[in-house]
Amino acid sequence: QKEVEQNSGPLSVPEGAIASLNCTYSDRGSQSFFWYRQYSGKSPELIMSIYSNGDKEDGRFTAQLNKASQYVSLLIRDSQPSDSATYLCAVRDSNYQLIWGAGTKLIIKP
Amino acid sequence: IAGITQAPTSQILAAGRRMTLRCTQDMRHNAMYWYRQDLGLGLRLIHYSNTAGTTGKGEVPDGYSVSRANTDDFPLTLASAVPSQTSVYFCASSDSRYNSPLHFGNGTRLTVT
Repeated sequence: QKEVEQNSGPLSVPEGAIASLNCTYSDRGSQSFFWYRQYSGKSPELIMSIYSNGDKEDGRFTAQLNKASQYVSLLIRDSQPSDSATYLCAVRDSNYQLIWGAGTKLIIKP
Repeated sequence: IAGITQAPTSQILAAGRRMTLRCTQDMRHNAMYWYRQDLGLGLRLIHYSNTAGTTGKGEVPDGYSVSRANTDDFPLTLASAVPSQTSVYFCASSDSRYNSPLHFGNGTRLTVT
């Protein structure tokens, strides 16, 4: 069974520090990778997508992909209390199916 | 504003009743999806549609049905609701490119009593 694994947390990070969220996946044929943010009681919101090995930066967010090691990570620089949310990793596998991780709860402490 | 509209926002339903959750998108996306999200279980796919006129079963399809008569609408029907169907339901859409992300509606919180 194809899987996407995330540490459920909660991950507690001081305000202003770097938050690092990790995700591993089992299907080596996966090609598309997504990070979503979900505030409590709200719907998932796309933050980043990444398709090639390496880093992709968008403002305070950086997605990192390493296909050889089958992991994708999300770094949040200068963490703010408003970044407190659950972060979901999603991977499109080789059969075009979108596989979701269970999410990591991030808490930014002022 | 382009996006996905779900209705109702929340609903309390007696067990055994029939209920249709509505989902409409105006982004002309080919693919649409219904997920349920339960605490500790993450997002689970109920049904999907890759294009108008076609539907498929996801991970947890039992007790649910869908139809896709046109591109914009993708209703989810519970024929006879049971308490285990108490959940938050999200409709999502994406275009047909392999690399396309999903865009979500605001969700419907359903309680079956």
